[in-house]
Amino acid sequence: GENVEQHPSTLSVQEGDSAVIKCTYSDSASNYFPWYKQELGKGPQLIIDIRSNVGEKKDQRIAVTLNKTAKHFSLHITETQPEDSAVYFCAASEAGGTSYGKLTFGQGTILTVHP
Amino acid sequence: EAQVTQNPRYLITVTGKKLTVTCSQNMNHEYMSWYRQDPGLGLRQIYYSMNVEVTDKGDVPEGYKVSRKEKRNFPLILESPSPNQTSLYFCASSFRDGSSYEQYFGPGTRLTVT
Repeated sequence: GENVEQHPSTLSVQEGDSAVIKCTYSDSASNYFPWYKQELGKGPQLIIDIRSNVGEKKDQRIAVTLNKTAKHFSLHITETQPEDSAVYFCAASEAGGTSYGKLTFGQGTILTVHP
Repeated sequence: EAQVTQNPRYLITVTGKKLTVTCSQNMNHEYMSWYRQDPGLGLRQIYYSMNVEVTDKGDVPEGYKVSRKEKRNFPLILESPSPNQTSLYFCASSFRDGSSYEQYFGPGTRLTVT
């Protein structure tokens, strides 16, 4: 089955700095890579996703890059703000296949943005 | 408002006492899933359902049961809870027609088994 490794487990930055979280996956059949943000006391919420036919996707201050050959993908947050403080999860899935919907999550990264 | 609801939000119980955590969604999603979240382990899938009466095991199904008799509901059943099932549980739902792969999560249920 799929295995997703996420690093770092904790990340502390100053407001305005950039933050990068990296994930690797093992199953070459995975073709959908979402990132979820979990605020304290809430369920995870999708912030950005990328499919395997795209190398990079950007949405305002956040971007995701994917390297299919190396089987890794990364989340980039620029100009961080205190409200970006949360737990971030990467995930991988073979969307549209027989195992549709089965997300395999990374271990999570606790991001703290200091004012 | 489109949402996934879970009940109860918090539950403290004793070993062996059967319990059910309910999950309901109002978005007409075909796909529903249960996850448990433990520190350092991320979210691990327990069971999922592709549609009514169609369920399958996830990565950590031991000690859990599910049923999907109605499209909107997907309860999680612990027949004989044990302390190692103390965890934070999330229900999620999504479409499965390829229009969107986004999973919508409920607010979570914190379960403590003593």
